[in-house]
Amino acid sequence: TQLLEQSPQFLSIQEGENLTVYCNSSSVFSSLQWYRQEPGEGPVLLVTVVTGGEVKKLKRLTFQFGDARKDSSLHITAAQPGDTGLYLCAGVIGNAGKSTFGDGTTLTVKP
Amino acid sequence: DTGVSQNPRHKITKRGQNVTFRCDPISEHNRLYWYRQTLGQGPEFLTYFQNEAQLEKSRLLSDRFSAERPKGSFSTLEIQRTEQGDSAMYLCASTREGRRNTGELFFGEGSRLTVL
Repeated sequence: TQLLEQSPQFLSIQEGENLTVYCNSSSVFSSLQWYRQEPGEGPVLLVTVVTGGEVKKLKRLTFQFGDARKDSSLHITAAQPGDTGLYLCAGVIGNAGKSTFGDGTTLTVKP
Repeated sequence: DTGVSQNPRHKITKRGQNVTFRCDPISEHNRLYWYRQTLGQGPEFLTYFQNEAQLEKSRLLSDRFSAERPKGSFSTLEIQRTEQGDSAMYLCASTREGRRNTGELFFGEGSRLTVL
């Protein structure tokens, strides 16, 4: 059983559309990260959320951490082809030294 | 470039051979992590170091895998007697551990292993 479930697994949309991807768990996280990964490259950190209910914005990207710190969402407004990639969420449970990753959402934005 | 550096970027080897990957973390980062990623999956934790001490190793990690960080700077990951199932992208990440572990990781570009 995957600790972090991401949905949808694949998403293909047209340029200009909005989208939301989800990261869910039954565990409580002390912090949660979103990363974006392009083929053949390592993941790149986008944001960290630590407080339940927290909302962070990064240009057209809006990240929300659930009140119970068990889930998170990433909303992209007016998607662009440059947003194409694998979006990964990862979390730290308690004082654990490691992060656990979900399997990601593969986003394709068509021009 | 002051990011995390990994080499080689690509390694093709025959089953049964040994391979070694190197990771040079961001210089002021005291924690270094190794993850493995296969197609369609997220990164899977292998092990991590704080300075030169290996603090945790995945229970799923075979005895054929060993990692070192002898001087608390660069790290090596060795896989002995490689098997086809070892084919994957091996990712190294580093971070500066503070009062609270935020979980923020800075990844290298990865080392892709293909075992024939």
